[in-house]
Amino acid sequence: NAGVTQTPKFQVLKTGQSMTLQCAQDMNHEYMSWYRQDPGMGLRLIHYSVGAGITDQGEVPNGYNVSRSTTEDFPLRLLSAAPSQTSVYFCASSRDIPGFGTQYFGPGTRLLVL
Amino acid sequence: KNEVEQSPQNLTAQEGEFITINCSYSVGISALHWLQQHPGGGIVSLFMLSSGKKKHGRLIATINIQEKHSSLHITASHPRDSAVYICAVVRNTGNQFYFGTGTSLTVIP
Repeated sequence: NAGVTQTPKFQVLKTGQSMTLQCAQDMNHEYMSWYRQDPGMGLRLIHYSVGAGITDQGEVPNGYNVSRSTTEDFPLRLLSAAPSQTSVYFCASSRDIPGFGTQYFGPGTRLLVL
Repeated sequence: KNEVEQSPQNLTAQEGEFITINCSYSVGISALHWLQQHPGGGIVSLFMLSSGKKKHGRLIATINIQEKHSSLHITASHPRDSAVYICAVVRNTGNQFYFGTGTSLTVIP
């Protein structure tokens, strides 16, 4: 199994550009989530999904969109990038909701918005 | 104020030392997780706890639900234990993680 994969590993954007961060898992996990990690702050939840077709907002959803058309994929879209979205983004998946199962994290995407 | 507080923020130890990292939280939880983030950035789940104590190799995690406190212990520390250790809680009112800011551990040979 590849586990949780993320692409790209690193991206530079200009303010106002849009892009999609890809996340895929091959473990047939229902629960998937996106986090951002900023210096001096803990990981913060952006959006999550409890199954195909079901998504919900986390702690910091503004400026980001998600969809979950398949169990395997959970892309994160930045509609109009801003310098405040410079961060490291992690995708994670688990068989169960976080209170009941191990979380598996992707390797991360480092995003720089100029 | 962050709902999850970790201490210390930074820790340097000599190889072989016994290490303790603390996590306190202020909300009701259904579970607490300890994660390890390697210098290269990857994050690995170490433990999930809802009560008591768990052990895996040289790592021991404990939780006291009444005190709202958890500890991660590393026995006979080794330079390969150098990493950031992150505490995360799942509130008992939802499905979301809330993370501490991490403890950066450096083990010197």
